Amino acid sequence: KAGVTQTPRYLIKTRGQQVTLSCSPISGHRSVSWYQQTPGQGLQFLFEYFSETQRNKGNFPGRFSGRQFSNSRSEMNVSTLELGDSALYLCASSRGGAPDTQYFGPGTRLTVL
Amino acid sequence: GQQLNQSPQSMFIQEGEDVSMNCTSSSIFNTWLWYKQDPGEGPVLLIALYKAGELTSNGRLTAQFGITRKDSFLNISASIPSDVGIYFCAGYHGSSNTGKLIFGQGTTLQVKP
Repeated sequence: KAGVTQTPRYLIKTRGQQVTLSCSPISGHRSVSWYQQTPGQGLQFLFEYFSETQRNKGNFPGRFSGRQFSNSRSEMNVSTLELGDSALYLCASSRGGAPDTQYFGPGTRLTVL
Repeated sequence: GQQLNQSPQSMFIQEGEDVSMNCTSSSIFNTWLWYKQDPGEGPVLLIALYKAGELTSNGRLTAQFGITRKDSFLNISASIPSDVGIYFCAGYHGSSNTGKLIFGQGTTLQVKP
């Protein structure tokens, strides 16, 4: 079956702009989690959505937000981009949210200039 | 954000050698997970550990959940070139299907044929 897909794969933005990233989970999966990966901070949990509701949230500023649609697809939005937001953004999907059943997508590489 | 202390940061070994890496935390976890990430891809789950003292193998990989629930290690025996990549440990807080994954900083493994 098809894996987790993320679009776009690469993105270049400038400071102050906003960006929306998309994640399509594996068919049948209702949980989508988002992570930020940077060389300095490693992998950091952003938030998790399950059945269109945010169920868990990491320690990121309010500029980072997300949502989930009825078909389980999820979007992540970052407003007022800063240089430090440059990172690989990964999403992971699972049926119920258990971490040992999560499958990661390839990520979206965001560069903020 | 909270991170696990993973060591070593990088390893450069000869093909056929055994590899060992570990993670420690100040917090207790319910579950320990080990992932591998290849360039341009998201992390892939290698081994999941659920009980203190548990020792689990997956082919040439062996991982253990520390007795104190604050540490875990991963061994790779008889390394081969395709073992190259970044290995992450992750600890999981929370109940069976909702919670946060906390990741280590990663161990970059290079294997010389």
